[in-house]
Amino acid sequence: AQTVTQSQPEMSVQEAETVTLSCTYDTSESDYYLFWYKQPPSRQMILVIRQEAYKQQNATENRFSVNFQKAAKSFSLKISDSQLGDAAMYFCAYLENYGGSQGNLIFGKGTKLSVKP
Amino acid sequence: DGGITQSPKYLFRKEGQNVTLSCEQNLNHDAMYWYRQDPGQGLRLIYYSQIVNDFQKGDIAEGYSVSREKKESFPLTVTSAQKNPTAFYLCASSLSHSYNEQFFGPGTRLTVL
Repeated sequence: AQTVTQSQPEMSVQEAETVTLSCTYDTSESDYYLFWYKQPPSRQMILVIRQEAYKQQNATENRFSVNFQKAAKSFSLKISDSQLGDAAMYFCAYLENYGGSQGNLIFGKGTKLSVKP
Repeated sequence: DGGITQSPKYLFRKEGQNVTLSCEQNLNHDAMYWYRQDPGQGLRLIYYSQIVNDFQKGDIAEGYSVSREKKESFPLTVTSAQKNPTAFYLCASSLSHSYNEQFFGPGTRLTVL
C-alpha cells in the first residue's frame, strides 16, 4: 500500500526567513499527483500546491515551491519570506492516477509550522 | 458564494446514540468525500461517492454509514457501532473522482460523552 511520511512533527521559522518541510512517499506507480495542504487553526484545509509526477519541472505558487525528486520519492515544500499567516499544520498527500480514473488521497501525519515574529 | 458547508461546527452526543453530520456543496461537483482526523494523524478516508445514489467504503468505514440521494448533499451517520467516534470530521468534494483537486469544508468536531 502507498504510504506518505512526514518526518518532522514540528518546525519553526523566523518571520521573513525560508523553511523547508520534508515529505517522502512509497509507491510502485509511475503516474500520480502530490499535494501540500495547509490547515490553519481554523482547521479549514487549503490546497497550497500540486505536482504532477510526469512533469519534471517543480511547481511554484508565489512564495511556495516544491523540490520533487521522483527517483528518491521525495517531495519537499519550501516557503520563502515566511509570514505569520503561514503558521499552520502542513500535510503532504499522494494521489494515484489510473489513466484518468484515480485512487484516493493518502495523507501524511502533518508538520506543525510555527512562525516567530 | 460557491463552497462546502458542514453543520454543526461542534456536536456533542451521548455514547450509544447515532448522530448525523451534514455536508452540502453548491459547486456542482459529482464526487464527495468524508474524512476523519485525529490528533497527530493525517486525514483518513471514511466513504466517498462518485455520483448520486452510489458510494464506496474508504479505509475506515466500520461504524459509519452514508447516503447520496442528491448531488449537493452527502450526510454521514456515526453509528453506535463506531468504537471511538470522538474526532474532527471533514467533508470534501471534487469535480469528479477523476479530477485531482479536492475542496474541503470547514469540518465538524464531534465529541461523544
